[in-house]
Amino acid sequence: DQQVKQNSPSLSVQEGRISILNCDYTNSMFDYFLWYKKYPAEGPTFLISISSIKDKNEDGRFTVFLNKSAKHLSLHIVPSQPGDSAVYFCAAVGAGGTSYGKLTFGQGTILTVHP
Amino acid sequence: DVKVTQSSRYLVKRTGEKVFLECVQDMDHENMFWYRQDPGLGLRLIYFSYDVKMKEKGDIPEGYSVSREKKERFSLILESASTNQTSMYLCASRRDRTFYTFGSGTRLTVV
Repeated sequence: DQQVKQNSPSLSVQEGRISILNCDYTNSMFDYFLWYKKYPAEGPTFLISISSIKDKNEDGRFTVFLNKSAKHLSLHIVPSQPGDSAVYFCAAVGAGGTSYGKLTFGQGTILTVHP
Repeated sequence: DVKVTQSSRYLVKRTGEKVFLECVQDMDHENMFWYRQDPGLGLRLIYFSYDVKMKEKGDIPEGYSVSREKKERFSLILESASTNQTSMYLCASRRDRTFYTFGSGTRLTVV
């Protein structure tokens, strides 16, 4: 059963506009959420994270929002640039038990930013 | 910068072959991980290791084993490669619970 879901396989956005990537989770035993960006033939690179005790974290053009009651987080990229075109993965960090510290990934969303 | 190096970018192997995927990190991290990435499935954890000689099964360990003889090196072994093991394999090293560094990946094709 997929505990972290990215229900949009792809997203297409015009350069300069906002990109919003969504992620839902089913397990309350996560205490951090991470976003990674991945280009083809490269490993994922860390973008931004958020603790479960916060509802927003911002880093330059990237902002992550967390809605704990809805078990939903989103990554906003403003303004979007063609170089942002990549696969974006949401990942959740296990807070305890056998899942402590383990990353659970969503399926990924392919973002394409058109010039 | 932490560097995680995977020895091969592309590999083509025959069904039934024993396959070794090598991963080396240079930052003295205790924790290392092997994932595979498949379209529509994201990254799934195969095996991980918290220290030398230690290994733990991840979510999809069947058909795989690992070796961690030295702290900096974590090897993934496909005992008898099968076509359903065709995938992108990613090694990662971890500084703490939220700071992972991934290698560039090995694209393995089993024919």
